[in-house]
Amino acid sequence: EVQLVESGGGLVQPGGSLRLSCAASGFTFSSYWMHWVRQAPGKGLVWVSRINSDGSSTSYADSVKGRFTISRDNAKNTLYLQMNSLRAEDTAVYYCARVRGYSGYDFDYWGQGTLVTVSS
Amino acid sequence: DIQMTQSPSSLSASVGDRVTITCRASQSISSYLNWYQQKPGKVPKLLIYAASSLQSGVPSRFSGSGSGTDFTLTISSLQPEDFATYYCQQSYSTPITFGQGTRLEIK
Repeated sequence: EVQLVESGGGLVQPGGSLRLSCAASGFTFSSYWMHWVRQAPGKGLVWVSRINSDGSSTSYADSVKGRFTISRDNAKNTLYLQMNSLRAEDTAVYYCARVRGYSGYDFDYWGQGTLVTVSS
Repeated sequence: DIQMTQSPSSLSASVGDRVTITCRASQSISSYLNWYQQKPGKVPKLLIYAASSLQSGVPSRFSGSGSGTDFTLTISSLQPEDFATYYCQQSYSTPITFGQGTRLEIK
């Protein structure tokens, strides 16, 4: 059974940092592109970032470029999102998501999400 | 960035109704269009990918159509468990973008 379990969320002050983790199991993690998608309270879905299967290629939404870094450790079956210079508008539930067919941008499995709250 | 616009933003319907949700892209995205269902407090669920392909395990009452800029999601006969918010998403180019969502409520 495919499982994605996020952790690392919490309350952080503006300008602070957090690192989110997403532990994957039930599939060959190293074969799949992975993504982060966020959802502010009561709002819609917003794509944040993606990483290819070996970690050599990444892309970001303009709103987080230069502040967030996506990475992965295929030996540990874990995806990360390092978030720096956090702003109030980064407050959201952050989901990790697996692509449906090894690469691409449609997501067949999602984690349960981890809440990041940026507030003083 | 490609803008995705869904209509309507909300919709009231009854069990057994046929429902159609529309999604329009600001430029052609070929068939790179996906649909998700999200229930309150739950994780999004992939329903349709590549505009018209039914994701494994999704009931056949869900169907998708369209190409280019105009797409539709149709639920042929609404069931109680279908009341949720539906999002379209373009996977044609980054940044990936979602529609604003269509909230489907019980009439």
